[in-house]
Amino acid sequence: QVQLVQSGAEVKKSGSSVKVSCKASGAIFSSNPISWVRQAPGQGLEWMGRIIPILDIATYAQKFQDRVTFTADKSTSTAYMEVSNLRSGDTAMYFCARETAGASGTYLALWGQGTLVTV
Amino acid sequence: QSVLTQPPSASGTPGQRVTISCSGSSSNIGSNVANWYQQLPGTAPKLLIYNNNQRPSGVPDRFSGSKSGTSASLAISGLQSEDEADYYCAAWDDSLNGRVFGGGTKLTVL
Repeated sequence: QVQLVQSGAEVKKSGSSVKVSCKASGAIFSSNPISWVRQAPGQGLEWMGRIIPILDIATYAQKFQDRVTFTADKSTSTAYMEVSNLRSGDTAMYFCARETAGASGTYLALWGQGTLVTV
Repeated sequence: QSVLTQPPSASGTPGQRVTISCSGSSSNIGSNVANWYQQLPGTAPKLLIYNNNQRPSGVPDRFSGSKSGTSASLAISGLQSEDEADYYCAAWDDSLNGRVFGGGTKLTVL
């Protein structure tokens, strides 16, 4: 059974960086993109962007393109999200999710458990 | 301010039918499929409805989705206490070239 397992909670100082991992347990990376979604405390879901691991192609939502970097290690089936120059507004739960293509569109079918980043 | 608009809250009593709306535009729901996610308290979101009206394996048929024009709806019939959760609609947006979510609807079972 495929699972997405994320790294543990992080506490960081303002101005530093954080790197969150998302490992596909029980499967290797395929052509499915991995999306990253942010949820600030008490707030809704916000799509940050995605990466296609086997191609190393990343797409960023405009709001996140300056300080966020997505990478992937195909050898370990692990995706990474790094946020630099952290500020208090980056305090949030970060989720990775595997995208699946249906007959008419794509959807986030499998989610990681989330990683809480506190700045 | 979310690109997709949902009511912030909804409620119903056990056994009732509840509907949650999601309003978008021609660049998202109007031209792409709508999906719905359920987030139980303290957990990760879970896919509830995909391709407007399809249920993943394991999702009860009490949950149904529909789409008309630039709006989508989620209906929950035979409401149960375990349905108390936050519900989010989502779609791809061609103008933004990205996935967009609604602000979420908190469902309370009275």
